[in-house]
Amino acid sequence: RKEVEQDPGPFNVPEGATVAFNCTYSNSASQSFFWYRQDCRKEPKLLMSVYSSGNEDGRFTAQLNRASQYISLLIRDSKLSDSATYLCVVSNSGYALNFGKGTSLLVTP
Amino acid sequence: GAVVSQHPSRVICKSGTSVKIECRSLDFQATTMFWYRQFPKKSLMLMATSNEGSKATYEQGVEKDKFLINHASLTLSTLTVTSAHPEDSSFYICSALRWEGRRNETQYFGPGTRLLVL
Repeated sequence: RKEVEQDPGPFNVPEGATVAFNCTYSNSASQSFFWYRQDCRKEPKLLMSVYSSGNEDGRFTAQLNRASQYISLLIRDSKLSDSATYLCVVSNSGYALNFGKGTSLLVTP
Repeated sequence: GAVVSQHPSRVICKSGTSVKIECRSLDFQATTMFWYRQFPKKSLMLMATSNEGSKATYEQGVEKDKFLINHASLTLSTLTVTSAHPEDSSFYICSALRWEGRRNETQYFGPGTRLLVL
């Protein structure tokens, strides 16, 4: 079983739509959780950290459920520029990151 | 935000040659850097953790004699792919760990290096 699993998509949504991504992780001792965004042929960029209390940054909301080992990302009012691959990332002890395969999002006009 | 650079951005080499990739933290010091590899349509896979002044820690299945890592200063780590073969063709990305204060660290990624071995 892979340590971080995501629905690969692709998710095709119209502008203005709300879209949700899910992610599960297998290591219950995982300590830190993130969502990264990766554009085609580019490096990943940190979108937001994920906290147990849930956190919001503008149109983006992230949730963490430690009991279910489940992480989510909600994007409201999708923009064309949101088209990218969204990577669920988990860190265990230390700082090394374990990446999910990513979920591809395409926002269409 | 913090800036991490990589050089070269892309390289094409013949099978059997060695290729060195540099990763630099431009505006902060990084005791710890990481090297990842990403094959097409695959997730990033951690290859090794590079610690300034000490030996790198390699992930299981990564040959330390083939992927030489040197972290000689707080702003530079290098990855050398020795005797490269076509199966080593990949996107190599480094990251540098930056202390953000209040027990918070963030990894900043370099732009990556595309390696094509013919």
